[in-house]
Amino acid sequence: DTAVSQTPKYLVTQMGNDKSIKCEQNLGHDTMYWYKQDSKKFLKIMFSYNNKELIINETVPNRFSPKSPDKAHLNLHINSLELGDSAVYFCASSRGRDTDTQYFGPGTRLTVL
Amino acid sequence: AQSVTQLGSHVSVSEGALVLLRCNYSSSVPPYLFWYVQYPNQGLQLLLKYTSAATLVKGINGFEAEFKKSETSFHLTKPSAHMSDAAEYFCAVSEGYSTLTFGKGTMLLVSP
Repeated sequence: DTAVSQTPKYLVTQMGNDKSIKCEQNLGHDTMYWYKQDSKKFLKIMFSYNNKELIINETVPNRFSPKSPDKAHLNLHINSLELGDSAVYFCASSRGRDTDTQYFGPGTRLTVL
Repeated sequence: AQSVTQLGSHVSVSEGALVLLRCNYSSSVPPYLFWYVQYPNQGLQLLLKYTSAATLVKGINGFEAEFKKSETSFHLTKPSAHMSDAAEYFCAVSEGYSTLTFGKGTMLLVSP
């Protein structure tokens, strides 16, 4: 039973394309997140949703748009992909908004050519 | 603003030796502190967390960490390294409101 799952695991695409990454959690958590891990392994939060509402939106280009159709899903859509978007994207979830443990998905490795 | 500094991007130990991974934090409020481990090509897994209860926190796989307010540190230790401990380790701090700030990670290398 995978707690936090992401699809696809690998994504290779050309510059300028639009792509989506899907995330689902079966933990019954209220809060979900997207993180970006760059080539130097540095992890930085991008977005956070609580009960389908956006609560954190870090300095991320408008080309990135998260969508939460329900509490169990948080998808990430990226328009007009650029070389610098190549990274590993992690989805995570937690029970609440504050300091609850965040559970991470396996990651999606995005490569933009 | 909160921040985390992990000293040493790589730490090498021999199997059976003590593991010490250093983490210093900066926080304007009493922090919550976490250690996560990332095995190759996998997501992050929580090792342990400090939430203002006991200052010595025990985690999974024999790891523990001690919160020292005076030193603003939360170093991770394990008495005896195992080959399977080889991974990337991340220290993180939270002041609440879903904001988790990670350090840059320390790669632990274990040699036989």
